[in-house]
Amino acid sequence: KAGVTQTPRYLIKTRGQQVTLSCSPISGHRSVSWYQQTPGQGLQFLFEYFSETQRNKGNFPGRFSGRQFSNSRSEMNVSTLELGDSALYLCASSFSGLGSYEQYFGPGTRLTVT
Amino acid sequence: DQQVKQNSPSLSVQEGRISILNCDYTNSMFDYFLWYKKYPAEGPTFLISISSIKDKNEDGRFTVFLNKSAKHLSLHIVPSQPGDSAVYFCAASAEYGNKLVFGAGTILRVKS
Repeated sequence: KAGVTQTPRYLIKTRGQQVTLSCSPISGHRSVSWYQQTPGQGLQFLFEYFSETQRNKGNFPGRFSGRQFSNSRSEMNVSTLELGDSALYLCASSFSGLGSYEQYFGPGTRLTVT
Repeated sequence: DQQVKQNSPSLSVQEGRISILNCDYTNSMFDYFLWYKKYPAEGPTFLISISSIKDKNEDGRFTVFLNKSAKHLSLHIVPSQPGDSAVYFCAASAEYGNKLVFGAGTILRVKS
């Protein structure tokens, strides 16, 4: 089975711009979660989508949003970028069925805001 | 408020010996715990997990122990190999794995 894929792998944006990141989960996985990793805050949960609905949300401002499509692929959008948004953005997928709660991560998208 | 703590930033172990990585948590609602390994420029790789109804889970060289009364879990790697050198993250969930809270990570160096 192919793993979780994320595109693009690297991105450089200017403060004030917006950005869209994409994630394709493992085939058969219906849950997609997004995480932000920074040196100062570590790995932090952004939100989770299941069957095209946001099921869980972390403590991030409304500038961070996402969506999930009927094929379980997910996108994450950050509007009005700030320097502090520079981070590694990780997507994780899980089957989300009974007894199967492990999340499998993609390689991440490295976002640099200048 | 750090709900999951990995108090050792780094650990150095000789090849062939046991590596023990520790993790403490404060939220008594956590019911599922996971360990991930991460190499630079890659996403975390799932290693092993444990449900709160168990106190031990084993998978090959990796064993996770859970002490609910102490709110403590540990990952044992036996024998340690140089390829195990990476950052290890402990994660916990109160919602059956769908919202993970991560520790800060422990850098493991296995010397040959």
